[in-house]
Amino acid sequence: AQSVAQPEDQVNVAEGNPLTVKCTYSVSGNPYLFWYVQYPNRGLQFLLKYITGDNLVKGSYGFEAEFNKSQTSFHLKKPSALVSDSALYFCAVRDGQKLVFGAGTILRVKS
Amino acid sequence: DAGVIQSPRHEVTEMGQEVTLRCKPISGHNSLFWYRQTMMRGLELLIYFNNNVPIDDSGMPEDRFSAKMPNASFSTLKIQPSEPRDSAVYFCASSSPGQGLARSDTQYFGPGTRLTVL
Repeated sequence: AQSVAQPEDQVNVAEGNPLTVKCTYSVSGNPYLFWYVQYPNRGLQFLLKYITGDNLVKGSYGFEAEFNKSQTSFHLKKPSALVSDSALYFCAVRDGQKLVFGAGTILRVKS
Repeated sequence: DAGVIQSPRHEVTEMGQEVTLRCKPISGHNSLFWYRQTMMRGLELLIYFNNNVPIDDSGMPEDRFSAKMPNASFSTLKIQPSEPRDSAVYFCASSSPGQGLARSDTQYFGPGTRLTVL
């Protein structure tokens, strides 16, 4: 079965610094990978996805993710964090027609 | 587009009562998913439909839970009877499969229903 792991429960970063939220995957075949963000009392919002092609995927709100096949990773990145980026972030992988989500990582950006 | 619509946004009920959650998917999407989110178990897929047909209900926790999709624009998730351990946020999501390289099944989520069973 396809799966993803988010090794960090929480990531803390200062505003203006670069941020990275980690995700590793385990799949058979080609991975279809996703990142979602959840703000308090809101539903999950789609940020970006990797299907094939360029290993650097650009998404919403200035986020990007780097697909690394040799390290089976799909880390979410942003060059300069904003306080408003503070939220819960989920990595997911497609398994058939379903998405399998990681446990989530809380991102806290402090001013 | 209005996005995925869920109602009610909040529901407080007493143990033993029937609860019905409602979802309207994005127009044109042919797959619909019901999830449950709790602190302890994270985000769990309960059931999903393709073209109004239930495909996988292996995540439905008990017979107390049932879901229907009578048409392409409406789905319900029912809990009867409800129990305090059913308290959670329930999300509905929809997707359109796309074609070829665009086939990624990106899911778009509704705002959720926060259910509290006393």
